[in-house]
Amino acid sequence: SQTIHQWPATLVQPVGSPLSLECTVEGTSNPNLYWYRQAAGRGLQLLFYSVGIGQISSEVPQNLSASRPQDRQFILSSKKLLLSDSGFYLCAWGPGLIEQYFGPGTRLTVT
Amino acid sequence: QKEVEQDPGPLSVPEGAIVSLNCTYSNSAFQYFMWYRQYSRKGPELLMYTYSSGNKEDGRFTAQVDKSSKYISLFIRDSQPSDSATYLCAMSGPNSGGSNYKLTFGKGTLLTVNP
Repeated sequence: SQTIHQWPATLVQPVGSPLSLECTVEGTSNPNLYWYRQAAGRGLQLLFYSVGIGQISSEVPQNLSASRPQDRQFILSSKKLLLSDSGFYLCAWGPGLIEQYFGPGTRLTVT
Repeated sequence: QKEVEQDPGPLSVPEGAIVSLNCTYSNSAFQYFMWYRQYSRKGPELLMYTYSSGNKEDGRFTAQVDKSSKYISLFIRDSQPSDSATYLCAMSGPNSGGSNYKLTFGKGTLLTVNP
């Protein structure tokens, strides 16, 4: 069966510091991969998605970036965090273009 | 008008009640409809997935889609305290290019089932 991992589970970072969140999927190959942010009262916001290695599409212009160095690895990064980057970051994978299955999430607090 | 509207609640019901959760949408191109359950501080979990109009049943859960009214529902029978969570509707369809499907989520309804 497929499993999706995210780490770290929680993170507290000062404004202006860099960020790296990692997501890996087991038990499948060539999945579609997604990064979402969930902020209170704002619902799930799609940040990036990838249909293959090195193929990244950005949904929202911001100071975040994403990379997919391996088939089942998706990384979310920032060079300098803003207060507004605080939130619950969720990675998801999909076997095709419809269903998406979410990881446990990373709770980021920028202080 | 937002693409997907969902009453945020909160909704509080006694154990054993029938729960009805609903979403409306404006994009007639949506073809796939999903319901996710999200426990506090956890990632969303896919509950039900339906294509086009009609009903789909899975145990105590029934998903209903009415494309003519652009209205979807999730019914929970014999609700249990363990059903207490936020329920998110999601839907997708082709973009203008016709080849890329992305999920559009409602903001979620917070449900509490009281013992």
